[in-house]
Amino acid sequence: GQNIDQPTEMTATEGAIVQINCTYQTSGFNGLFWYQQHAGEAPTFLSYNVLDGLEEKGRFSSFLSRSKGYSYLLLKELQMKDSASYLCAALDSNYQLIWGAGTKLIIKP
Amino acid sequence: DVKVTQSSRYLVKRTGEKVFLECVQDMDHENMFWYRQDPGLGLRLIYFSYDVKMKEKGDIPEGYSVSREKKERFSLILESASTNQTSMYLCASSRDGESSPLHFGNGTRLTVT
Repeated sequence: GQNIDQPTEMTATEGAIVQINCTYQTSGFNGLFWYQQHAGEAPTFLSYNVLDGLEEKGRFSSFLSRSKGYSYLLLKELQMKDSASYLCAALDSNYQLIWGAGTKLIIKP
Repeated sequence: DVKVTQSSRYLVKRTGEKVFLECVQDMDHENMFWYRQDPGLGLRLIYFSYDVKMKEKGDIPEGYSVSREKKERFSLILESASTNQTSMYLCASSRDGESSPLHFGNGTRLTVT
C-alpha cells in the first residue's frame, strides 16, 4: 500500500531551527510537496521537490532523498506565526497525491 | 493570486438531506478537486475533474457526486447526508502539469445531525 509518515506534533522555540521529517512509500514517485495549514485556514503551498537535494526558499528549505524515500522541511529563525500544521504529500506514478496526516508545529516564546 | 472560493464556511444539515457544496476558481485552472479533512487523517480525495463535464472518482467517492458544467465551478453533492459525512471539505484547483501546486479554498465545515 501507499503510505506517508510524519510526526503528529512537534514543539520548538521562537528563533530556533526545526526539521520536520516525512517518509513515503508510493507506487512510483513524481515529486513531493509541502504545504502549510494554519488552524481553520486552507493549506498553502510551500515547496515541491522532484530531484535529490536541498531547495532553499527564504527561512524555509526542503530536502529530498529519492533513494531513501525521505524528505524534510527545515524552518529557520522560527517565528510565532510559523505555528501551523505542515502537510507532506507525494505524487505517485499515476500523478495522484498521497497525503500525510500532517505535523502540528507549536512554537513557544 | 489564485482565488478559490467555497460558498459556505459552515453548514449544518440533517441526516437524509441533499447537500450542495459549491466551489469557484478565478484563474482558468483545468483541474479541480474535492477533499475531506478529518483529524488524524491525511487529506482524502473524493472526486476530481480535469475538464468541463469530466469527473473521476477519488479514494472515497461513496455517498458523493460532483458536477462540472463550467470550467470555473466544481460542485460536490451529498445525495443523502449521513452523520459520518460530518467533516471539513476542501476544494482545490491547479493548472495542468505534475509540479503544479494545488490552490485551496478556505473549506466548508459540514455538520450532519
